[in-house]
Amino acid sequence: AQSVTQPDIHITVSEGASLELRCNYSYGATPYLFWYVQSPGQGLQLLLKYFSGDTLVQGIKGFEAEFKRSQSSFNLRKPSVHWSDAAEYFCAVRRRTGTASKLTFGTGTRLQVTL
Amino acid sequence: EAGVAQSPRYKIIEKRQSVAFWCNPISGHATLYWYQQILGQGPKLLIQFQNNGVVDDSQLPKDRFSAERLKGVDSTLKIQPAKLEDSAVYLCASSFGGSTTDTQYFGPGTRLTVL
Repeated sequence: AQSVTQPDIHITVSEGASLELRCNYSYGATPYLFWYVQSPGQGLQLLLKYFSGDTLVQGIKGFEAEFKRSQSSFNLRKPSVHWSDAAEYFCAVRRRTGTASKLTFGTGTRLQVTL
Repeated sequence: EAGVAQSPRYKIIEKRQSVAFWCNPISGHATLYWYQQILGQGPKLLIQFQNNGVVDDSQLPKDRFSAERLKGVDSTLKIQPAKLEDSAVYLCASSFGGSTTDTQYFGPGTRLTVL
């Protein structure tokens, strides 16, 4: 069975500081990995995705993530956080199950940005 | 390009009542998904449609939940009768296809409160 773990429920950083959100996955085959962001009252927006190739993936809004197979991790990073980045961040893994393609989410990390 | 539309945005009902949610996917997207997001958790897939056929409903509580996508475009999710534990945000998403590499685009969700 596949699972996604986001160990940090809540993180607070100062505006301008760097950010790293952790994500660990459990899946036997090559995973398809995603990071989504959810602002209050909004749906989920895709930040970036990893399917294969270069293990450092660039996304929107200045975010990047690095896939590390040896550590089963896909951590999200941003060098300088803006106040508008305050939101909930979800890591997700996707695999095919028969004719379906299931996306499994972690429990999320809520990011608070102080000015 | 218009995104995924959902209505209503908010709904409050009493337990044992029925409720229905509507979703209109992005034009041309063959695959439609319904997710349930309970407070403090990541979204959980309830049902996946490919055109007007169901490809995965393994996590849909079929004794009370039903969903349809009759013409392969918009979809309705119904709960009858509702229970307290159904309080959640119901997210609709769509993708062009149903493969593991297809990006899912999410609507803003319907927040359901069951009293």
